[in-house]
Amino acid sequence: SQKIEQNSEALNIQEGKTATLTCNYTNYSPAYLQWYRQDPGRGPVFLLLIRENEKEKRKERLKVTFDTTLKQSLFHITASQPADSATYLCALALRNYGQNFVFGPGTRLSVLP
Amino acid sequence: DAGVTQSPTHLIKTRGQQVTLRCSPKSGHDTVSWYQQALGQGPQFIFQYYEEEERQRGNFPDRFSGHQFPNYSSELNVNALLLGDSALYLCASSLSSENTEAFFGQGTRLTVV
Repeated sequence: SQKIEQNSEALNIQEGKTATLTCNYTNYSPAYLQWYRQDPGRGPVFLLLIRENEKEKRKERLKVTFDTTLKQSLFHITASQPADSATYLCALALRNYGQNFVFGPGTRLSVLP
Repeated sequence: DAGVTQSPTHLIKTRGQQVTLRCSPKSGHDTVSWYQQALGQGPQFIFQYYEEEERQRGNFPDRFSGHQFPNYSSELNVNALLLGDSALYLCASSLSSENTEAFFGQGTRLTVV
């Protein structure tokens, strides 16, 4: 069956450390993958997009990797800050599916001061 | 640019009633998608509208219907409300070209009692 999972429901790290979030999927062939941030009671906010033929993307303190063999994406936040505390969602964009995304359940990140 | 706007922000309905939610896409966007997000879960795709027609549909019953207007704004209608329809309903807008991120509104929190 098709499944998309994120490593843990909640992740606590110390300020200044690197947070690493994992997104694994089975029986999907995504054309690209995205990461979103969602704060409580708000809509998701786009962070990064990585295509199937790309291995790594960076934006400021954010880095995402995409391994289509392992069917896994890793999302890193370096030098984490309490303001980074939020739920992070990965979303698969499937072929021939327009801009409709299959979302993972999310990981709630707490950065402790 | 106002981004994606949704109305109302909160709504309480009684089981069996009907509800209409509204969405105005980001300026320049022509595609609108609707998602349902239950508490603690990732958004689930309901359907997408492009050129005033439903282009894709997720695994939702016919009680969920929608419409897109010539100005690209959209409505989501839910008939015969069930308690399980209580959720955050998110509207996302994008361009019809592929490999672009979606911009989400703040959502409508629907509570069915």
